[in-house]
Amino acid sequence: DTGVSQDPRHKITKRGQNVTFRCDPISEHNRLYWYRQTLGQGPEFLTYFQNEAQLEKSRLLSDRFSAERPKGSFSTLEIQRTEQGDSAMYLCASSSDRGPSYEQYFGPGTRLTVT
Amino acid sequence: DQQVKQNSPSLSVQEGRISILNCDYTNSMFDYFLWYKKYPAEGPTFLISISSIKDKNEDGRFTVFLNKSAKHLSLHIVPSQPGDSAVYFCAASADNNDMRFGAGTRLTVKP
Repeated sequence: DTGVSQDPRHKITKRGQNVTFRCDPISEHNRLYWYRQTLGQGPEFLTYFQNEAQLEKSRLLSDRFSAERPKGSFSTLEIQRTEQGDSAMYLCASSSDRGPSYEQYFGPGTRLTVT
Repeated sequence: DQQVKQNSPSLSVQEGRISILNCDYTNSMFDYFLWYKKYPAEGPTFLISISSIKDKNEDGRFTVFLNKSAKHLSLHIVPSQPGDSAVYFCAASADNNDMRFGAGTRLTVKP
């Protein structure tokens, strides 16, 4: 198992453009989480999937953000009409419901820079 | 609202000595606490956890202590090694999914 993977690792975009990130969780994990981390801060929870169902969304997730996990495997996070304030590291994590979901395994993240 | 706080942004210790990283929280509903370690260009890696029904959990060189009355937990690393140099995040959860993280403490272990 190669762990949680995220693509791309870096993304530079101009303000107003749309971006999409992909996360591939650990294969046997049915829970998937998205976080955002800004400089000098810890990860902030954005949303959570159990299989293909999106069960929880943070108020940080504005209408410009949408996440999907159509087949309960990989997930995508799309940001529409990006703003400079969206510049951050976007982290994906996964866990199994057979163990404590507290123990989440993180990917390396996608660093977004909005110019 | 910063429900999990790590008030020391950095800590430097000598190799072989003890490292003590501290974390405070405000939400009394938190029932599970974790420490994650993060190296540059990598995602956080789970290190050790503790349930609110315990006050201590030990795993090799790493021990986490929980003081519920003070809403305080700490991570002890002994002996510290240069490879322990990383950013350490404290995290807490109240409902098994929505995990709150502190801002992190950068630990430097000097040879």
